[in-house]
Amino acid sequence: GEDVEQSLFLSVREGDSSVINCTYTDSSSTYLYWYKQEPGAGLQLLTYIFSNMDMKQDQRLTVLLNKKDKHLSLRIADTQTGDSAIYFCAESRETGTASKLTFGTGTRLQVTL
Amino acid sequence: DTEVTQTPKHLVMGMTNKKSLKCEQHMGHRAMYWYKQKAKKPPELMFVYSYEKLSINESVPSRFSPECPNSSLLNLHLHALQPEDSALYLCASSQTLDGRLKAQYFGPGTRLTVL
Repeated sequence: GEDVEQSLFLSVREGDSSVINCTYTDSSSTYLYWYKQEPGAGLQLLTYIFSNMDMKQDQRLTVLLNKKDKHLSLRIADTQTGDSAIYFCAESRETGTASKLTFGTGTRLQVTL
Repeated sequence: DTEVTQTPKHLVMGMTNKKSLKCEQHMGHRAMYWYKQKAKKPPELMFVYSYEKLSINESVPSRFSPECPNSSLLNLHLHALQPEDSALYLCASSQTLDGRLKAQYFGPGTRLTVL
């Protein structure tokens, strides 16, 4: 199967770091993505990591990939109230000229003052 | 510019109506996608167009009819929908070139309510 699992909910205080975890099953995925979705909005591409990388840093975001355990995480440093949203990881398989994403179940991040 | 636009933002329709959702991108992407998203769930892929040709149909009922009239536009024609089709419909686009990152960029969605 192609189940991508995430914990449902995470609550952090403003200024702390958030770590959102994702477990995927398709070892043939070429890229893994993180998307953010605010209420009533579309999905915003946050970052991605190529499957042969271990880590990628992009400003406040750090992505870690453990291919052996098929585990992906997103760390948000200095979390702000504007980071409150649902975060989806997604594994990608290329289908010739397009890509097919399998999304995780989504993690709701709540940032408290 | 990584913008995908969708119209309308909201749509309410009866089960006998015919309506269309529209999606547009000007990023030069030649792959475009339709997704359906129910509340508190991840998006589910419906259709994929590549170079204006339908390449993937995820066993979607025929009351949903996609159309890609040119490389920038993607439509979803709706007819005889059911109340359970009420959802957020998302459009996305991506690169198609070999060796290039095929990240999908999403529009803001159309919130559809079927009465």
